[in-house]
Amino acid sequence: DTEVTQTPKHLVMGMTNKKSLKCEQHMGHRAMYWYKQKAKKPPELMFVYSYEKLSINESVPSRFSPECPNSSLLNLHLHALQPEDSALYLCASSQQGIANYGYTFGSGTRLTVV
Amino acid sequence: DAKTTQPPSMDCAEGRAANLPCNHSTISGNEYVYWYRQIHSQGPQYIIHGLKNNETNEMASLIITEDRKSSTLILPHATLRDTAVYYCIVRPLWVWGAQKLVFGQGTRLTINP
Repeated sequence: DTEVTQTPKHLVMGMTNKKSLKCEQHMGHRAMYWYKQKAKKPPELMFVYSYEKLSINESVPSRFSPECPNSSLLNLHLHALQPEDSALYLCASSQQGIANYGYTFGSGTRLTVV
Repeated sequence: DAKTTQPPSMDCAEGRAANLPCNHSTISGNEYVYWYRQIHSQGPQYIIHGLKNNETNEMASLIITEDRKSSTLILPHATLRDTAVYYCIVRPLWVWGAQKLVFGQGTRLTINP
């Protein structure tokens, strides 16, 4: 299995809702990432997990709460989002400490906040 | 990560070679050049990487100048499916602890029939 699977593919949520994005990989990668991408812009790094521990938080608002319950799974919990949080949310994974084989990205969850 | 500069957009005819330039004049000795692409509505895809020698794989070739201040990604026979945004990124090969992959603005490549 050489894929990163993200669910759901599309999500529409209200500003008072709580929802979660899910990311799964079975490549044995021990580093996992969340990126946010607005239309016609490059992906922006949000969080990095290394061996299931949060290593980097790029000053992301607390309404985004990441969680890494095990080495294969990464969640992003969403609460009280704003319409400007509407974007494509990408998950990626890589071998810890080894960048030569690149990162593997999922196809993303397209989030719309209404 | 060192900064890269890429043209915002390029066009190429189908079947011709697409040559995408990237300037990375502040690259450090331990930093590699990576290329990713993002086809519309998909996640970025790793293409190739290199340090100072030219590299080739089944997707593309990477030519890095001798002074390492610039590089060119070559898609030898571009097809319509190669239409995408191409990102040039420089970063160390080995990064202990947490890692970052930081994207610049990229080049939007359009392959025309």
